[in-house]
Amino acid sequence: ETGVTQSPTHLIKTRGQQVTLRCSSQSGHNTVSWYQQALGQGPQFIFQYYREEENGRGNFPPRFSGLQFPNYSSELNVNALELDDSALYLCASSLLSGGLTNEQFFGPGTRLTVL
Amino acid sequence: DAKTTQPNSMESNEEEPVHLPCNHSTISGTDYIHWYRQLPSQGPEYVIHGLTSNVNNRMASLAIAEDRKSSTLILHRATLRDAAVYYCILRDPRNNDMRFGAGTRLTVKP
Repeated sequence: ETGVTQSPTHLIKTRGQQVTLRCSSQSGHNTVSWYQQALGQGPQFIFQYYREEENGRGNFPPRFSGLQFPNYSSELNVNALELDDSALYLCASSLLSGGLTNEQFFGPGTRLTVL
Repeated sequence: DAKTTQPNSMESNEEEPVHLPCNHSTISGTDYIHWYRQLPSQGPEYVIHGLTSNVNNRMASLAIAEDRKSSTLILHRATLRDAAVYYCILRDPRNNDMRFGAGTRLTVKP
């Protein structure tokens, strides 16, 4: 059983550019959540996808968007990058059952730097 | 939105119990209390969760106050590998929003 993987591990972009981050969920999981973690802070919830549909969203603008594919892998897209978007982006997969998720399994993250 | 308050840092001696407190005075009746920890250069790792009753698992115990306005994560015997940032989180089941706070950095001394 493979865990949650993310790619790339590091990425450098410039302001105004667009970026796509990728996540491969743990086998058997149907839900993926994305988080942004600024240096020295706790992760902030961006959104969650369940069966290819957005299933909850945190306080992030629409330029943060996502996709979940039939194989439960996922992408996080960020348009019009700003300097404050520099952070560690974490993906977490889980099994949603009965409307509730319990344990989330996190990947190692992608470190995005915006110059 | 309900939020959590934790001490910024705590220290413990190896093989001694550790009690990590968390205040969540504005918790709603449907919020679950989750604890995760994050080791350096890694993503967070699930520790334990509960709703109203105390919970035990192989990693830790979770003691929840009767009014649910606070909780305590208990590590029964701290090891050097338990050194991490511990997050107390409220999970809103309506949108599965996991609201992380700043966490408590636990240092374990040999």
